[in-house]
Amino acid sequence: AQSVTQLDSHVSVSEGTPVLLRCNYSSSYSPSLFWYVQHPNKGLQLLLKYTSAATLVKGINGFEAEFKKSETSFHLTKPSAHMSDAAEYFCVVSVRTGGFKTIFGAGTRLFVKA
Amino acid sequence: DADVTQTPRNRITKTGKRIMLECSQTKGHDRMYWYRQDPGLGLRLIYYSFDVKDINKGEISDGYSVSRQAQAKFSLSLESAIPNQTALYFCATSVGTSIEQYFGPGTRLTVT
Repeated sequence: AQSVTQLDSHVSVSEGTPVLLRCNYSSSYSPSLFWYVQHPNKGLQLLLKYTSAATLVKGINGFEAEFKKSETSFHLTKPSAHMSDAAEYFCVVSVRTGGFKTIFGAGTRLFVKA
Repeated sequence: DADVTQTPRNRITKTGKRIMLECSQTKGHDRMYWYRQDPGLGLRLIYYSFDVKDINKGEISDGYSVSRQAQAKFSLSLESAIPNQTALYFCATSVGTSIEQYFGPGTRLTVT
């Protein structure tokens, strides 16, 4: 079975400080992992993806995530937050073995203070 | 992303009414999906279709039906809407064996 847990429903940071959004997953198969961002009243946009290549994945807007199999984690980071990063972020696990399955985490809302 | 469009963007309807949400895509993708988003629950898969003749139930298909009229069009119907179907609905597409999905802007549905 597959599952995704986003460990924080809300994260608040000051502009210019680092961002850490935490995601743990479980999967019976080798997963692909994604982070999507949703700005208010907008659809979801792909930030980055891990598909069994390099474990450190770089995405758009300065975000990156590291796949750690031993910790079953895929945390999203950014060295310096910008006001425009305020949004909701979703961690997603997908597997193709044994059928098709995509599971979304519940989301983490990021607040950025000036 | 203008490549995946959803109509209407907002809809208010009454309990018991039939309603259809439409999704069109110009990306040439073969696979299409319908999700609903509820606060604190992320997105949950309602139905998905890997090609025009292939329709599959997702995690929460009860109370919904779909139609894949063409490769580019995938409609979601609520035969008899109920208030707990109030949610934000997203259509998404993907191509071939790629798991990466591309999302439409969403339809906000309110059932009173």
